[in-house]
Amino acid sequence: GDQVEQSPSALSLHEGTGSALRCNFTTTMRAVQWFRKNSRGSLINLFYLASGTKENGRLKSAFDSKERYSTLHIRDAQLEDSGTYFCAAEASSGSWQLIFGSGTQLTVMP
Amino acid sequence: NAGVIQTPRHKVTGKGQEATLWCEPISGHSAVFWYRQTIVQGLEFLTYFRNQAPIDDSGMPKERFSAQMPNQSHSTLKIQSTQPQDSAVYLCASSWTGNNNQAPLFGEGTRLSVL
Repeated sequence: GDQVEQSPSALSLHEGTGSALRCNFTTTMRAVQWFRKNSRGSLINLFYLASGTKENGRLKSAFDSKERYSTLHIRDAQLEDSGTYFCAAEASSGSWQLIFGSGTQLTVMP
Repeated sequence: NAGVIQTPRHKVTGKGQEATLWCEPISGHSAVFWYRQTIVQGLEFLTYFRNQAPIDDSGMPKERFSAQMPNQSHSTLKIQSTQPQDSAVYLCASSWTGNNNQAPLFGEGTRLSVL
């Protein structure tokens, strides 16, 4: 089965509100990375975590390897936050593979 | 720093033709990764080089696909006898090695369309 389960697949928010994306892992992962796909299709690194939490502006991410999940919180959403967000995990086996979630399509509405 | 450079940005080929995709990693990065993104499969790992040596190609289709890294400044992904199901965005990423806290940085991808 899928090793990285990302939810929700789609999310609509009004400007100024917030929500969270989540990735559950079926096995222990060494680290997690969150990306946003920009308008040109490039994957932009948002966070890279081996543990704990990181915050950058209106975004905050957490990773719990033991509990096998990671979250990406967005607060005070803006129109320009719209896009597709992916989580990707590094397996603890020592491989350099990133196992991607299926993505969350975020739409921020006025 | 121009980041990871992938060329071409778009490539259209006819069924059965060969396609070669190019990646120039960030200078000094010795780990290079190739991924493929499709609507059906999402983002899939293809292959990984470290110091130009192939380390893990477990994601590469067994036939028609090959990747090389002849020098530290570029890598190629070659698809022979392209098929419509090869249509996808092919992404290249690079990072330092020996430091597990370094996340790979991605190029803008090459969109391959096989007609």
